[in-house]
Amino acid sequence: ETGVTQTPRHLVMGMTNKKSLKCEQHLGHNAMYWYKQSAKKPLELMFVYSLEERVENNSVPSRFSPECPNSSHLFLHLHTLQPEDSALYLCASSQDFSGQLNEKLFFGSGTQLSVL
Amino acid sequence: QKEVEQNSGPLSVPEGAIASLNCTYSDRVSQSFFWYRQYSGKSPELIMSIYSNGDKEDGRFTAQLNKASQYVSLLIRDSQPSDSATYLCAVNKIRQLTFGSGTQLTVLP
Repeated sequence: ETGVTQTPRHLVMGMTNKKSLKCEQHLGHNAMYWYKQSAKKPLELMFVYSLEERVENNSVPSRFSPECPNSSHLFLHLHTLQPEDSALYLCASSQDFSGQLNEKLFFGSGTQLSVL
Repeated sequence: QKEVEQNSGPLSVPEGAIASLNCTYSDRVSQSFFWYRQYSGKSPELIMSIYSNGDKEDGRFTAQLNKASQYVSLLIRDSQPSDSATYLCAVNKIRQLTFGSGTQLTVLP
C-alpha cells in the first residue's frame, strides 16, 4: 500500500460505545494529524504529532484521545461521544512539522462517523 | 471575522470557461497559501501553493496572491467536468494550516 490509509471507512456508534480510528502512513513522514470535517464548515485541526510527540491539541474534548505509538501509526480513541461529533475524521501526514515541510499534507480517505 | 473566508458557492461554469475561485484571510503574518481540491466523498489533495505576490501558473491552474489586500485566488482555464469538486483555500500561520470552508465548483458539459 502507498500513501495514508484509514480504517474503518464508516463507523456508526452509540453514545456509550468505545471505538478507535486507525491511520497508517507509508510515506516515511515524521508528522501526523487528525482533522475533523463537518458539513459546510472548515477543516478543524484536532491533534498534531511530530516524531511521536504531541505538539498541538486544539482544545479538543477529552472524549477524543489520540495515540501515536510510532511515526507511521496514529489512533483516535473515542468514548461517550455526542451526536454533534458526527463528522468525517481525516488523518493526514507531512514530511515534518517545522518550517515549510508541514504545508504539504497527504490525507487519508477519512472515517465517516455517525453517533446515534 | 473568519480567519479564512471563501464563498461556499455553488459556482457553476460551462465547460471550456474560466472558473475563478476567491479567498480572503484575516492575519497579515500569514506567509504561505494553498489550494486543495476535494472530490465528493474523497479526501483533499494539494493542487497549488503560492508564497509571493503575483501569479503562479501550473498547467490550467493559476494561483494569484495579493498580500496587501489579503486575497488569494485560483483560476482554472478551459474548465472540464472533471474539475467539479470543492476547492479549499488554506493559509499557513505559525506552523498551522487554517482552512476555509471551501467553494463547490460545478463545470457543466
